[in-house]
Amino acid sequence: GESVGLHLPTLSVQEGDNSIINCAYSNSASDYFIWYKQESGKGPQFIIDIRSNMDKRQGQRVTVLLNKTVKHLSLQIAATQPGDSAVYFCAEMAGSGGYQKVTFGTGTKLQVIP
Amino acid sequence: EPEVTQTPSHQVTQMGQEVILRCVPISNHLYFYWYRQILGQKVEFLVSFYNNEISEKSEIFDDQFSVERPDGSNFTLKIRSTKLEDSAMYFCASSSSGADTQYFGPGTRLTVL
Repeated sequence: GESVGLHLPTLSVQEGDNSIINCAYSNSASDYFIWYKQESGKGPQFIIDIRSNMDKRQGQRVTVLLNKTVKHLSLQIAATQPGDSAVYFCAEMAGSGGYQKVTFGTGTKLQVIP
Repeated sequence: EPEVTQTPSHQVTQMGQEVILRCVPISNHLYFYWYRQILGQKVEFLVSFYNNEISEKSEIFDDQFSVERPDGSNFTLKIRSTKLEDSAMYFCASSSSGADTQYFGPGTRLTVL
């Protein structure tokens, strides 16, 4: 069945270092992936997305890499800042009839050490 | 920047009572969703709504749940008879199409006593 899961529950990084958060998915038919950031007490906030016809996409300080061969997704955050501390979810969009739902992974907590 | 809003931010209710959670999606969006997140767990899909009808629902979304778009701006989730296990954060989301990015509201924390 479909599943989206994360390798590590907690990641601690020094301020200024780069962060890499990994995610595995099992449904080879998945074609759209999103990274969301969730700060304490807030809703998931869209960070960046990637479709299966791409293997890399860059945003401001963030890069998402998609390896369809091994069904792996990663989020790279450059020059991590204290404001990046949050739980990061990779998510998969899938559905039927054109109506898609977001399936979230379990989340990785990123702790930035000042 | 347009955003999804939700009210109330926190709702406390007694077991067996009805609650209505309210959402105002982004104004030009046509697809609406409810998700929930039990404390310490991942966000789970409940229901999607388009063109005034449910397009998909999860097994969580049983007969105790209903959704409605009562006017041109609000989208509500009703739980008819709340149970202790309904305690969670409930997130509303909206998107411009079924295949586009969903934007989430800040959530309503529901506490059932």
